Amino acid sequence: NAGVTQTPKFQVLKTGQSMTLQCAQDMNHEYMSWYRQDPGMGLRLIHYSVGAGITDQGEVPNGYNVSRSTTEDFPLRLLSAAPSQTSVYFCASSSLSSYNEQFFGPGTRLTVL
Amino acid sequence: KQEVTQIPAALSVPEGENLVLNCSFTDSAIYNLQWFRQDPGKGLTSLLLIQSSQREQTSGRLNASLDKSSGRSTLYIAASQPGDSATYLCAVMYRSSGSARQLTFGSGTQLTVLP
Repeated sequence: NAGVTQTPKFQVLKTGQSMTLQCAQDMNHEYMSWYRQDPGMGLRLIHYSVGAGITDQGEVPNGYNVSRSTTEDFPLRLLSAAPSQTSVYFCASSSLSSYNEQFFGPGTRLTVL
Repeated sequence: KQEVTQIPAALSVPEGENLVLNCSFTDSAIYNLQWFRQDPGKGLTSLLLIQSSQREQTSGRLNASLDKSSGRSTLYIAASQPGDSATYLCAVMYRSSGSARQLTFGSGTQLTVLP
């Protein structure tokens, strides 16, 4: 199993540009989520999904959109990038059968100029 | 606000020492607590998960304990090696997170094991 994969690893955007961060998992996990990691702020939940077609907002959802059309994929879209969105983004997944271990991807390092 | 605190922020030890990393949380109503390792510029690797009903978990040289009543968890690393050098993160899933299953992270302990 590849586990949780994310692409790209690095990305530089200009203010106002849009892009999609990709996340995929091959563990048939129902639950998937996106976090951002910032110095001094720790990791904060952006959006999450408990299954295909079901998404909801986390702690810091503004400026981001998500969709979940398949169990495997959970892309994160930045609609109009801002310098405040410069961060490292992590995708995570887990089974819903109990409050199970969450597995994280390798991250995408995003810089918005 | 529910928080997670990790002390110390940084720790440097000589190779071979046994060490303890500390994590404290503000509310005993939790589903679980998870310890992660993060190497510089890399993702989070799950080390141990302790469910609310458990007192400890062990994996190799690692042992994690949980005391909900005092709001504390410790990660014990036996016979430390230079390869253990990394940032260790403690994360708590509070019951109040509901379907979000949000992990509340501590700020981490940066461990350096000197050869």
